[in-house]
Amino acid sequence: SAVISQKPSRDICQRGTSLTIQCQVDSQVTMMFWYRQQPGQSLTLIATANQGSEATYESGFVIDKFPISRPNLTFSTLTVSNMSPEDSSIYLCSASLGNSNQPQHFGDGTRLSIL
Amino acid sequence: QKEVEQNSGPLSVPEGAIASLNCTYSDRGSQSFFWYRQYSGKSPELIMSIYSNGDKEDGRFTAQLNKASQYVSLLIRDSQPSDSATYLCAVNEGYGNKLVFGAGTILRVKS
Repeated sequence: SAVISQKPSRDICQRGTSLTIQCQVDSQVTMMFWYRQQPGQSLTLIATANQGSEATYESGFVIDKFPISRPNLTFSTLTVSNMSPEDSSIYLCSASLGNSNQPQHFGDGTRLSIL
Repeated sequence: QKEVEQNSGPLSVPEGAIASLNCTYSDRGSQSFFWYRQYSGKSPELIMSIYSNGDKEDGRFTAQLNKASQYVSLLIRDSQPSDSATYLCAVNEGYGNKLVFGAGTILRVKS
């Protein structure tokens, strides 16, 4: 399976600021995804990062709040914009190697706290 | 809205017993089913994938799938304290790569 590196691993940020999270995969992958996991809850898909085109966002998530880049087949970024305490969460990047039957593998996550 | 349902637990089993984790899903078009293990403070780790009806065994883990009943389960034999974690069931949406995750079942193995 692919090795997925995510950084920063954690951060404490001030309200109103923005943070960009990076996700690097050690091999080319077809699909990359960004999730949020709030304390004690399961994973919620924010968006699918599409290489060479705009990300596909899930209901309740918008590009202005969570802009995503995917410049190539091994790298993606998620920005959490104009942060508020409600954005405190773990943000996870995942990647899937191939066709629709392939599982997703996760990075170590970014634990974000907003003061 | 596609849904994946799991009993949140906690499920407590004694060391050496069989732990049985269950999951139901709503999307009849789903083709791929996954079990992830998540330790506290860590990211999810894939432990099993299953695509066709029946059983699939990998070491102490067995995944069972029944598409007619829209039911997937995970059996852990000879449970160890190190198996204590949250187990997430994930189901793909239709023929795509998107996964829908259940809320997870907390498993506690008592020594």
